[in-house]
Amino acid sequence: DTEVTQTPKHLVMGMTNKKSLKCEQHMGHRAMYWYKQKAKKPPELMFVYSYEKLSINESVPSRFSPECPNSSLLNLHLHALQPEDSALYLCASSRYSATNEKLFFGSGTQLSVL
Amino acid sequence: GQQVMQIPQYQHVQEGEDFTTYCNSSTTLSNIQWYKQRPGGHPVFLIQLVKSGEVKKQKRLTFQFGEAKKNSSLHITATQTTDVGTYFCAALSGNTPLVFGKGTRLSVIA
Repeated sequence: DTEVTQTPKHLVMGMTNKKSLKCEQHMGHRAMYWYKQKAKKPPELMFVYSYEKLSINESVPSRFSPECPNSSLLNLHLHALQPEDSALYLCASSRYSATNEKLFFGSGTQLSVL
Repeated sequence: GQQVMQIPQYQHVQEGEDFTTYCNSSTTLSNIQWYKQRPGGHPVFLIQLVKSGEVKKQKRLTFQFGEAKKNSSLHITATQTTDVGTYFCAALSGNTPLVFGKGTRLSVIA
């Protein structure tokens, strides 16, 4: 199994809603990532988890709250988002968080904030 | 922080023509990765280059890493409609997280 599975594929939420994005991998990877990608832009790193511990937070607003319940799962909790947060949210994993590891991306959650 | 410049931003080619995208850095890179993202899809890893002057081939795709490890290129020979998508380089310098270039969007006219 070389897949990273993300749910839901699409999400529409209001600015007062609370929602969660989910990501799962069964490749035994010990590093997991959240990226944000706006249309026609490159992916931008948000968070990195290494061995289930948050190792990098790229100054992401607190309305985004990541969680890594175990080595296979990664969540992104969303609260009080703004319309400008609408984007494709990509989860990725790699064997380790070493910088020479290739990333396996999920198909993403397309988020629209109204 | 680490930045990589990728050119061109867009490239339109006739099917069968060649295509090249370039990635440049002002600092020496540890290694460089290339990803392809199809329209509506997610980035998919293509290759990683580590050594100075390294050249790797995957069928019609040729990847090069410069001697100074500050630039890289991806060349596609005889493009096909299946090559359509955005090609990103992603560079690493030291222990900094992977930084993606802005990408080159390739469209192929049949």
